[in-house]
Amino acid sequence: AQSVTQLDSQVPVFEEAPVELRCNYSSSVSVYLFWYVQYPNQGLQLLLKYLSGSTLVKGINGFEAEFNKSQTSFHLRKPSVHISDTAEYFCAVYNAGNMLTFGGGTRLMVKP
Amino acid sequence: NAGVTQTPKFQVLKTGQSMTLQCAQDMNHNSMYWYRQDPGMGLRLIYYSASEGTTDKGEVPNGYNVSRLNKREFSLRLESAAPSQTSVYFCASSEGLGGTQYFGPGTRLLVL
Repeated sequence: AQSVTQLDSQVPVFEEAPVELRCNYSSSVSVYLFWYVQYPNQGLQLLLKYLSGSTLVKGINGFEAEFNKSQTSFHLRKPSVHISDTAEYFCAVYNAGNMLTFGGGTRLMVKP
Repeated sequence: NAGVTQTPKFQVLKTGQSMTLQCAQDMNHNSMYWYRQDPGMGLRLIYYSASEGTTDKGEVPNGYNVSRLNKREFSLRLESAAPSQTSVYFCASSEGLGGTQYFGPGTRLLVL
């Protein structure tokens, strides 16, 4: 079985500050990794994904994430956040033996 | 393209009533999914359909049934609603299992 842990349920940050949202996973086999964003009262949309190759993955809206196999982590970062980045962010893991498994979510609150 | 559409957007049921949530996608995707979202728990998979003509249980299937009506449509039925089924329900689709999933806007269900 696989699982995903998002270590912070809420992250408050001031506008233009950097942010890191943490994600750790457990799986005994190779995985695909995803970050999704959910704006208020909307469905989820893909921010970025790691399938293979370079461990640094760039996504939409200036976000990037780094896959660290030894630490089984896939942390999401942005060097300078905007008010419009206020949303809930979900890390998810997929492997061939299981379906997509989501973490509990991290609510990013950007303050002016 | 509308992407993934869901109806209704919001529904209130009394305990024991039944209802069907509808989902359709216009991206010619093979795989479709139903999730429920509860605070702090991320998204949990109820049922999925890897391809037209097949359906399988996810993590939390009890109390639900599904029908893959054709390649475009995947419905979720609650035969006898319970307060524990109060949640936000999301439908998603992907080209295949493990592919990027595209989500609908969700259905808010309140069971009294």
